[in-house]
Formats: sequence, C-alpha cells, structure tokens
Amino acid sequence: GENVEQHPSTLSVQEGDSAVIKCTYSDSASNYFPWYKQELGKGPQLIIDIRSNVGEKKDQRIAVTLNKTAKHFSLHITETQPEDSAVYFCAVLWGSSYKLIFGSGTRLLVRP
Amino acid sequence: DTEVTQTPKHLVMGMTNKKSLKCEQHMGHRAMYWYKQKAKKPPELMFVYSYEKLSINESVPSRFSPECPNSSLLNLHLHALQPEDSALYLCASSQEAGPLGEQYFGPGTRLTVT
Repeated sequence: GENVEQHPSTLSVQEGDSAVIKCTYSDSASNYFPWYKQELGKGPQLIIDIRSNVGEKKDQRIAVTLNKTAKHFSLHITETQPEDSAVYFCAVLWGSSYKLIFGSGTRLLVRP
Repeated sequence: DTEVTQTPKHLVMGMTNKKSLKCEQHMGHRAMYWYKQKAKKPPELMFVYSYEKLSINESVPSRFSPECPNSSLLNLHLHALQPEDSALYLCASSQEAGPLGEQYFGPGTRLTVT
C-alpha cells in the first residue's frame, strides 16, 4: 500500500520567518497531494493541493512543490504569523484505491 | 460554500448505550466519509459512501454502523462501544470518490465512552 512520511514532527519559528514541511510517498501512481491545517478542537481544513501534472502551486503566503521523480512534496509558508500555529497534515490520494493516506502531522508553533 | 456540519459537537456515552452521529453537506457532493482521529494522530479512514452506497469499509468493528439516508446526509450509529473508541469522529465529503480527490472535513464529534 501507500506509505507517507512527514517531517519534522514539530517546528518552531519566529514570526515573519518561513516554515517548510516535507513529505515523501511510496506509490508512483499517486497523483493528488493535499495539505490540511488542523487547529485545536477543529476539523482539518484543506489549505492547498497539487496534482502530479504541476511542479509548484502558490496561494498568497503558502506554496506547495512536488518532485514526482523523487516522490516528495513540501509545504512552504512565508512571513509566518501566530495564527499559522496549528498541526499540518500532508496527504496522498492513493492511486489504486482513491483513499487519502495522511502523514503523521507537524505541529507548527509561530512565536510572536 | 465548502461546509460540512456535524452533530453533536460532544457526546459522552456508556458502553451499553446506543447513539448516533450525524453529518450533513449541501455542496452536491456524491461521496461522503467517516474518519476516526485519536489525539495527536492523523485521521484514519473508516467508511466511504459513493452515490449513497457503501464502497469502502476499512474493517471497522460492527459496533459502528454507517448509514447514508440520502446524498446530503451521513449517519454513524454507535452501539456497545469500548473506552478505546473514544476519539474525534470526522465526516468529510468530496465531489466524487475518485481521482478528483478534494475532501472537505466537518468540525468533528468528540466522543467519550465511559
């Protein structure tokens, strides 16, 4: 089956700095890669996604890059703000079953 | 509008109780999902409904019984649960259960089994 690894598990940055979270996956047939933000007591919120025919996608301060050859993708948050503090999950839509397989999560803390 | 609603927000139940979790979406999505999330862990898929038919059951114990009365509603019936079933139960929906992929989650029901 599909296996998704996410690093780091925790990340602490100063407000205004950039944050990068990386995920690797195993099934080369997978072709959809979303990122979710989960705040305390809430459900996961889809913040950005990328499909395999694109190498990079940007939405204001967040961007996602995909390297299909190396089977890894990354979330980049620039000019971090305290409200960016949350748990971030990467996910992969497993090609053969169309099931979302989640990474283990990264707890991001933005220090004011 | 990408809203999925879930009721109740919190539920405490004994091991002999029967209760139900409810989920609703009005985005015209034809796929709906139940996930279970333990503390500090990612969501784990339990069930997938596609066009109101159960398409995936991730070997979930029979004390969890899903139901999809129509394309907008999804229920999860609970009976004879164990304390280890305490978790956040998340509902999600997507346009279809296929390669389009985009799933939108509700806020979840925090379940405590005593």
